[in-house]
Amino acid sequence: SQQGEEDPQALSIQEGENATMNCSYKTSINNLQWYRQNSGRGLVHLILIRSNEREKHSGRLRVTLDTSKKSSSLLITASRAADTASYFCATDAEGGSARQLTFGSGTQLTVLP
Amino acid sequence: KAGVTQTPRYLIKTRGQQVTLSCSPISGHRSVSWYQQTPGQGLQFLFEYFSETQRNKGNFPGRFSGRQFSNSRSEMNVSTLELGDSALYLCASSFTGGEQPQHFGDGTRLSIL
Repeated sequence: SQQGEEDPQALSIQEGENATMNCSYKTSINNLQWYRQNSGRGLVHLILIRSNEREKHSGRLRVTLDTSKKSSSLLITASRAADTASYFCATDAEGGSARQLTFGSGTQLTVLP
Repeated sequence: KAGVTQTPRYLIKTRGQQVTLSCSPISGHRSVSWYQQTPGQGLQFLFEYFSETQRNKGNFPGRFSGRQFSNSRSEMNVSTLELGDSALYLCASSFTGGEQPQHFGDGTRLSIL
């Protein structure tokens, strides 16, 4: 079963605009990760934020985490047509060394040239 | 450095048959995880292998099984195929699991007729 929901399910913006996607989850986590998936391809890891962190940046990406609300957001600034893809948040549950990511339902981002 | 390689890329089977999918992780990676992706259920964790041992298993029936070899290559097997097994099967690897980004292959698209 999926850990949580992402919203919006679909987002369409113009090139140069910022895109914000939100993710909610249900259980306590070690960390939360964001992945991108281009159509018909595998997932690409974008950024990881630990449960004791509130904000993290990587290039044009900014991720926030609010563990009290069990939510995270991904901001992509100055979007490009190449950013068109599906974006998924994934949580790594608290405890243990085994890897079991639980993915959200994803946001389909379309960046129009 | 070569990425995660999954073979075959596409596969068509009929109900009742069995299938074996293969995954070669990035050199040096010892943790291999498998995920099923469908439009209805999204991305769901199947199992994770580390050093030839299954470390974690998702909520899938016993028809889904896997194994890992001494060179970290992994296979997953699905027996008695059902229409609902049609999906993109993704393999991901990391050095040891835990808090490390997972590197995904492009998946095997399995269609059941």
